[in-house]
Amino acid sequence: GAGVSQTPSNKVTEKGKYVELRCDPISGHTALYWYRQSLGQGPEFLIYFQGTGAADDSGLPNDRFFAVRPEGSVSTLKIQRTERGDSAVYLCASSLTSGTGANVLTFGAGSRLTVL
Amino acid sequence: GQNIDQPTEMTATEGAIVQINCTYQTSGFNGLFWYQQHAGEAPTFLSYNVLDGLEEKGRFSSFLSRSKGYSYLLLKELQMKDSASYLCALSDSNYQLIWGAGTKLIIKP
Repeated sequence: GAGVSQTPSNKVTEKGKYVELRCDPISGHTALYWYRQSLGQGPEFLIYFQGTGAADDSGLPNDRFFAVRPEGSVSTLKIQRTERGDSAVYLCASSLTSGTGANVLTFGAGSRLTVL
Repeated sequence: GQNIDQPTEMTATEGAIVQINCTYQTSGFNGLFWYQQHAGEAPTFLSYNVLDGLEEKGRFSSFLSRSKGYSYLLLKELQMKDSASYLCALSDSNYQLIWGAGTKLIIKP
């Protein structure tokens, strides 16, 4: 597509529920990133894919968080047993490649998750 | 470790010039980015510096001094639409971005 698409744009759930957030990157972009952003903060790195494989998942806060990218395009971030502290905007970004300094990320509009 | 500092908030007047500073400490460096983020929207790329000096792009310019761990974003002829948060991010030794908390810029008429 023309840009990075994220769905849903807003998700309200109850504590303890399971949530899936979807990211559709720019066609042809091999690198895909998930970030989490709280109000007044910069993006916090969660996980990065190069193709189908997770090249770096060091930012996932705990084992309730998991992400997949089975065909090297669309990615899904999965959060189990949601907690109120998971409330944030989840941003997805893609880039043509990775492993270079001048690696410009294109972000989606984000999925705002609210855990009640 | 790595650390990035930028002011939390700045206020400027329409038509004026504003400079947003960013200081950083890092063991590995592969460039510094500036992104703009309007409230409720995605960050969008503004500039990238990897060598010392000034990069000019229309009304926006970005400066880098690697020896001082310092960058700034200069915005000229400010317009109301420039009201946004400006995020400084450094590319570390693994080419991963480390983000500052952002500077909220308020433009007044």
